[in-house]
Parts: sequence; C-alpha cells; structure tokens
Amino acid sequence: KNQVEQSPQSLIILEGKNCTLQCNYTVSPFSNLRWYKQDTGRGPVSLTIMTFSENTKSNGRYTATLDADTKQSSLHITASQLSDSASYICVVSGTGGFKTIFGAGTRLFVKA
Amino acid sequence: DAEITQSPRHKITETGRQVTLACHQTWNHNNMFWYRQDLGHGLRLIHYSYGVQDTNKGEVSDGYSVSRSNTEDLPLTLESAASSQTSVYFCASSERRDQLRSYNEQFFGPGTRLTVL
Repeated sequence: KNQVEQSPQSLIILEGKNCTLQCNYTVSPFSNLRWYKQDTGRGPVSLTIMTFSENTKSNGRYTATLDADTKQSSLHITASQLSDSASYICVVSGTGGFKTIFGAGTRLFVKA
Repeated sequence: DAEITQSPRHKITETGRQVTLACHQTWNHNNMFWYRQDLGHGLRLIHYSYGVQDTNKGEVSDGYSVSRSNTEDLPLTLESAASSQTSVYFCASSERRDQLRSYNEQFFGPGTRLTVL
C-alpha cells in the first residue's frame, strides 16, 4: 500500500533555532517528492521538489534531502522565524498515471 | 496576476441538501483537482480532470461529482450532504498531464470550510 508518514506530528521551537522534519514513504515506483508549506487558513504552497536522482534541494532557509534507497526525506529549517509557523506537508508522486500521496503533515510552532 | 479562487469560503448546510462548491482558475491549466483535508489525514483526492469534458474519480469520490465544461472551472457537487462530509475542501490546478511523471506543481486555492449539520 502506498503511504507517506511524517514525524513528528507537531513541534514547538524557539525563534532562531533550527529544526528537522521527517518523511518516510512507500510509494513505488517513485517519481518525485515535494514539500509544501501550509499556513493556517490557506492552501499549501510548494517549497521544493526532488526527483530520484536528486538528494538535496534548497529554498532559502529550507533544505530538503532525499534518500531514495531508504525512502526517506527530511526538511531542515535554519534560523527559524515566527513566519515559519505552519504545517509542512510531504507529498510523494509515483509514475504511471496519477498517483500522488499526501502526508498528514507536521505542525510547526515557532515561539518568540 | 493568475490565481485560483474558491467560493464560498465558508458554508453551513443541512444533511440531505445538495451543495456546490466553486473553483475558478486563471492559470489556463489543463489539470484541476478537488481534495478534502481532515484532521489527522493528508489531503485526499476526491475527483480530478485533465481537461474539458474529462473527469476522473479519486480515492474518496463517493457522494461527490464534478463536471468540466470549460478550462477555468471545476465545480464540486455534494449530491446529498452528509455529516461525514464536514471538512475543508481544496481545489488545485497544474499545468499539464505527463503520463509517466507528476512533476507539475499543483497550485492550491484558499479552501472552503464546509459544515454539514
């Protein structure tokens, strides 16, 4: 069964600190993995995308890594800001027709 | 600027009523999607369309229908609303279908919060 599992479910950190969010998946055959940021009351917005041949991708203070062998990805946030408070959703797509699975997300709270 | 909009943003209805949620995009995207988002679950696909007159069922399509009469709009209809359909509904669009890969980024609308009493 194709699944995407994210951990932790929620996380509280102090402003300025770093954090890492995890995503494990079983989608096969694999095509690509995206990380989305979803602010409260808004739709998700794409942060990064990685295909099987890429193992790291950065977008400002956000750095995503991918290990296609172990089927794991992480999203590292550097020097967190209050505006980073949001849900972060891992989305994995397979090949051969529309097969896109959304993780349940990690809810990040950044405190001053 | 191109955008994707949903209306209404909030809706309260009664069990058994028919409800239609609107989605309109000005990206000129071929692909459009409807998802529902519930606590503890990832976004789950209800229906999707790869172009005018094309519609396909997603993983949670029971009780929902869509129609695609033009490129810009994909309305979602709940034929007889049930309390289990209380959720936040997101519409999304993406550029074009690739049979082998799903690279194309989906752009999401702001969501519609639907409550069925």
